[in-house]
Amino acid sequence: QQQVKQSPQSLIVQKGGISIINCAYENTAFDYFPWYQQFPGKGPALLIAIRPDVSEKKEGRFTISFNKSAKQFSLHIMDSQPGDSATYFCAASEWAQKLVFGQGTRLTINP
Amino acid sequence: ETGVTQTPRHLVMGMTNKKSLKCEQHLGHNAMYWYKQSAKKPLELMFVYNFKEQTENNSVPSRFSPECPNSSHLFLHLHTLQPEDSALYLCASSQVSTGDYGYTFGSGTRLTVV
Repeated sequence: QQQVKQSPQSLIVQKGGISIINCAYENTAFDYFPWYQQFPGKGPALLIAIRPDVSEKKEGRFTISFNKSAKQFSLHIMDSQPGDSATYFCAASEWAQKLVFGQGTRLTINP
Repeated sequence: ETGVTQTPRHLVMGMTNKKSLKCEQHLGHNAMYWYKQSAKKPLELMFVYNFKEQTENNSVPSRFSPECPNSSHLFLHLHTLQPEDSALYLCASSQVSTGDYGYTFGSGTRLTVV
């Protein structure tokens, strides 16, 4: 019940395209769903996060779509750039404690 | 110094050694965490400290011993580790009382057990 399942494991997108990463969860008590971005040699950095009372949140080129009934959420990166090449992690937690992470998606943006 | 600082960045230790990882946060947060990041596995939560009190030990072997002397510092003491403990160890902090749930991670300590 504590798992967050993330797909795909790796993704290659052409520059200017849309990158989409999906996550699914089981625990209906989760109330916070962040996405983290990690570059080699660095720790994960918070990218964008959503609460279950909204279905979509957009910050610049990054959008989270949230489907509460399906227990799924996804990250969309519009106009993907080579600088977006990184590993992306979805996560979920109940009341901000004990973030549970997905397995990560290695995103490569080809120039 | 800003954010979350972890030292050392790299550590190689033998299975009989004793070493410590250090984490310091300069954000005024009141919760700190240790995570383990291994290849092809999700980040695994190891320990949670709220207001310097340990509130979570996620079935971590006793060869890992955390210490939180104050709300800004967190240590992970290591002894008699196994090669499978080789991983990136990440420290994070957050402010749990304000509703801002974001974690700030350090850059991690890359640990190799030989």
